Amino acid sequence: EVQLVESGGGLVQPGGSLRLSCAASGFTFSSYWMHWVRQAPGKGLVWVSRILRDGSSTNYADSVKGRFTISRDNAKNTLYLHMNSLRAEDTAVYYCARVLSGHGDYPFDSWGQGTLVTVSS
Amino acid sequence: DIVMTQSPDSLAVSLGERATINCRSSQSVLYSSNNKNYLAWYQQKPGQPPKLLIYWASTRDSGVPDRFSCSGSGTDFTLTISSLQAEDVAVYYCQQYLITPYTFGQGTKLEIK
Repeated sequence: EVQLVESGGGLVQPGGSLRLSCAASGFTFSSYWMHWVRQAPGKGLVWVSRILRDGSSTNYADSVKGRFTISRDNAKNTLYLHMNSLRAEDTAVYYCARVLSGHGDYPFDSWGQGTLVTVSS
Repeated sequence: DIVMTQSPDSLAVSLGERATINCRSSQSVLYSSNNKNYLAWYQQKPGQPPKLLIYWASTRDSGVPDRFSCSGSGTDFTLTISSLQAEDVAVYYCQQYLITPYTFGQGTKLEIK
């Protein structure tokens, strides 16, 4: 069974940093592109970032570019999101998501339960 | 960026009746090289992550009931629930995955009338 478990969320002050983790199991993690998606309280889904299978290429939403870094450790089956210079508008539940089929532009067929990041003084 | 716009924002339908949600993209999500529409639909219930319902604009994901269907191509798509069940109460999102950023529609909240 595919499982994605996020961790690392919490309360952080504006300007602070946080690192989110997503532990993957039940599939060959290194064979899949992975994504982060966020959802502000009571709001819709917003794509944040993507990383290819070997970490060689990454993409970001304009709203986080230069502040967030996506990475992965295929030996540990773990996806990361390093978040710096956090702002109040970054407050959201952050989901990691797996693409439907290994590599390529596909929708997300598996999602974690999410981890809440709250940016507030 | 491709902007995805859903209509309506909310919808109330009687049990057993048909529910229809529309999704329009600001540019075509049809990729000419493989003739596929890079359009997906998700269902999200309160307190849960989204669940993939449909991809390639018309392919139901594994285990999705056949009362869910989607039509359309290019820039205009429609998700139809043929006979609404109580468990279909949720927020529905369309998403384009043709190019990053993979944009979502704003969501349509579906309720029972």
